[in-house]
Amino acid sequence: QPALTQPPSASGSPGQSVTISCTGTSSDVGGYIFVSWYQQHPGKAPKLMIYEVTKRPSGVPDRFSGSRSGNTASLTVSGLQAEDEADYFCSSYAGSNNFVFGTGTKVTVL
Amino acid sequence: EVQLVDSGGGLVQPGGSLRLSCAASGFTLSDHYIDWVRQAPGKGLEWVGRTSDKGTSYTTEYVASVRGRFTISRDDSENSLYLQMHSLQTEDTAMYYCTREVRGGFDIWGQGTLVTVSS
Repeated sequence: QPALTQPPSASGSPGQSVTISCTGTSSDVGGYIFVSWYQQHPGKAPKLMIYEVTKRPSGVPDRFSGSRSGNTASLTVSGLQAEDEADYFCSSYAGSNNFVFGTGTKVTVL
Repeated sequence: EVQLVDSGGGLVQPGGSLRLSCAASGFTLSDHYIDWVRQAPGKGLEWVGRTSDKGTSYTTEYVASVRGRFTISRDDSENSLYLQMHSLQTEDTAMYYCTREVRGGFDIWGQGTLVTVSS
């Protein structure tokens, strides 16, 4: 199962918005509701930011939002803050009890 | 506090074996699907495998690259589960995380345990 495709990097100034894409196929991102996003700071475990394409777990700021169009999911971070600088990974259920992760995007706050 | 604690990593020679542990606190492990995810140094996340909950008979599934070499098992009395790894290869070198799966997302993560396969 090949990894989902994400841009290697994205950046924005404080207060701006950044959107990260996650492109798969109709067998994963486009075929199931189980698309999620993770934030990972250096040396730390990943943290769930979005699940079921658009839902935010309790405690995640509403500056983080998810969406999907066809086989591409997106994570938007609005009102960028310094602490948002991290690596972001998408994930999707891929059928047959398998999951696949994205290649990862490093977000830099300028 | 709801948490997972990973342990058991270390240095092992190619072809060797290792067993990782994942201990839960604050919730009952048997009620949940639990997955293992790994991350090679400086690389992205890779899904390794999964065990379903007690209600669905603890079925397991693995990524193709570890199928037949890795096995997930549980010990309900210890509220723990394990990842037994055999025939380890250098490409298995990674930080290994256990994580709780809920509605297709991974909401609780262990702190990770590092496995290094090297001669």
